[in-house]
Amino acid sequence: KQEVTQIPAALSVPEGENLVLNCSFTDSAIYNLQWFRQDPGKGLTSLLLIQSSQREQTSGRLNASLDKSSGRSTLYIAASQPGDSATYLCAVGGGSNYKLTFGKGTLLTVNP
Amino acid sequence: DAGVIQSPRHEVTEMGQEVTLRCKPISGHDYLFWYRQTMMRGLELLIYFNNNVPIDDSGMPEDRFSAKMPNASFSTLKIQPSEPRDSAVYFCASSLFFRTSLGEQYFGPGTRLTVT
Repeated sequence: KQEVTQIPAALSVPEGENLVLNCSFTDSAIYNLQWFRQDPGKGLTSLLLIQSSQREQTSGRLNASLDKSSGRSTLYIAASQPGDSATYLCAVGGGSNYKLTFGKGTLLTVNP
Repeated sequence: DAGVIQSPRHEVTEMGQEVTLRCKPISGHDYLFWYRQTMMRGLELLIYFNNNVPIDDSGMPEDRFSAKMPNASFSTLKIQPSEPRDSAVYFCASSLFFRTSLGEQYFGPGTRLTVT
């Protein structure tokens, strides 16, 4: 059974800092990996999708990497802003189906 | 596109009552997913459909839960009878299979269910 772990559970940084969020998974036979953002009381917003054949994806100040062999992904946020404050969720797509297994998330607070 | 639409946004009901949650996926998407989110268990997949056909319902917790997708633009998740432990936020998501890959999953705003 796939298990997804996100470290740290919470992170507080000053505005302007570059930061890295970590995601690890136990079964490397994945289909894809998706990073989401969730604001309090809201739904999930997709940030980046990495297919299993890819190593990284970039969107604006965000860069996500994937290392299947080690079962790890990182989300890099450059020049953080208070508006980046949210919970960031990592989700791994199964190798034999399209089910996403989610981590518990990292609660990010960017202080002005 | 308006995105994934869910209704109602909030539902408060008494134990034993029937609850029906509704979802309209993004037009053209051929995959639809139902998730449940709680503080204790996080986000869990309940069931997903491909072209209106249920593919995997192994995440449905009990027979009290059922889901249907009568057409490409509508799905329901029903709980009968409801229990306090069903209280959670229920999300619907949709996605499109393009060429050889399943694309991003787009989530609706969720339905916050409270069973008293």
